[in-house]
Amino acid sequence: EAGVVQSPRYKIIEKKQPVAFWCNPISGHNTLYWYRQNLGQGPELLIRYENEEAVDDSQLPKDRFSAERLKGVDSTLKIQPAELGDSAVYLCASSSLTSPGDGYTFGSGTRLTVV
Amino acid sequence: KQEVTQIPAALSVPEGENLVLNCSFTDSAIYNLQWFRQDPGKGLTSLLLIQSSQREQTSGRLNASLDKSSGRSTLYIAASQPGDSATYLCAVIAPGGGNKLTFGTGTQLKVEL
Repeated sequence: EAGVVQSPRYKIIEKKQPVAFWCNPISGHNTLYWYRQNLGQGPELLIRYENEEAVDDSQLPKDRFSAERLKGVDSTLKIQPAELGDSAVYLCASSSLTSPGDGYTFGSGTRLTVV
Repeated sequence: KQEVTQIPAALSVPEGENLVLNCSFTDSAIYNLQWFRQDPGKGLTSLLLIQSSQREQTSGRLNASLDKSSGRSTLYIAASQPGDSATYLCAVIAPGGGNKLTFGTGTQLKVEL
């Protein structure tokens, strides 16, 4: 099994430019999460999907961030326009809603640098 | 609000030493606790998952314990190796939070030759 797949692995953009990240969760995992991890910190939740519905987006900066999960499988996270403070690692994870005790599986992350 | 704390923030040990990493959480009503490893610039690799009904889990040289009543977990690494150098994160999932994983800030481990 491929695990949670994220792309790209690295992205460097100038401030005010748009950027998008892609995530393919583990097959059969109906819950998908986007986390942001700043340097030296633990990951913090941005948005959680159950199937195609965003059920918790309270921490998503909606003025510049958007996300979608088409058909309840792949997901994209977009930032437009990017700011210097958005530099971080963006992590995608998935889990099974019916088996929360099985824990999470994370992707390798996308390291974003805004210059 | 669930808060997770990890002590120490950083640790440097000589190769071969046994070591203990600590994790504490404020709300004992959890589904499970998960320990992750993160190498620099990389994603998270799950090491051990302890269900709320369990007290410990073992994988190779790693042993994780859970004491829900006191809100604590420890990760024991036996006979440490330079390849163990990484940041170790603990995280908990609590009911009512929609399976939200709450992380500690991690312990940065360096094992020296």
